[in-house]
Amino acid sequence: AQTVTQSQPEMSVQEAETVTLSCTYDTSESNYYLFWYKQPPSRQMILVIRQEAYKQQNATENRFSVNFQKAAKSFSLKISDSQLGDTAMYFCAFRLGSNYQLIWGAGTKLIIKP
Amino acid sequence: EAGVTQSPTHLIKTRGQQATLRCSPISGHTSVYWYQQALGLGLQFLLWYDEGEERNRGNFPPRFSGRQFPNYSSELNVNALELEDSALYLCASSLGPPYSNQPQHFGDGTRLSIL
Repeated sequence: AQTVTQSQPEMSVQEAETVTLSCTYDTSESNYYLFWYKQPPSRQMILVIRQEAYKQQNATENRFSVNFQKAAKSFSLKISDSQLGDTAMYFCAFRLGSNYQLIWGAGTKLIIKP
Repeated sequence: EAGVTQSPTHLIKTRGQQATLRCSPISGHTSVYWYQQALGLGLQFLLWYDEGEERNRGNFPPRFSGRQFPNYSSELNVNALELEDSALYLCASSLGPPYSNQPQHFGDGTRLSIL
């Protein structure tokens, strides 16, 4: 069975700092996709970034980038120049290439302090 | 473009009652997903509908059911409510099925509270 683990229940950094959220997953498959979603207090889930397992290059989206370590089954999210609006719950999610379900981590609560 | 809309925002019920949650996907999206987000837990997949058919369901009892209408909107029904059903229920939609790798767009959720 596939599992996703986010070991940091809560993190807090100062505005403009860089923060890294960790995520590990477990699967024996080779074809899969990884995602980071953000859930601000408004509760809506927003896709931040995604990574295809077959791609060696780490995905980036503006201030958001990932460190994808396939052998270690690690998929961390780095937020550079953090902003107050980055305060949210961040969820790591995994999907097999051949399956329908997104499997979710428990989330990390990120607080950006002014 | 309007996003995924869910109603009601908050629903309060008592044990044994039935709850109906509604979701309108983004225009043009045919796949609708339902998730349960209990306090302190990650999202748990409930149901996936596509083109009016239930395509897959998560590990939930049969009292969790739903349907998708011809306009692709969806309802989630929870019968015989139990205290542990208290959670945020999120609906998501996507342009195509999961294997098309289209991202899922989420609504704001319905907070279901069981007293």
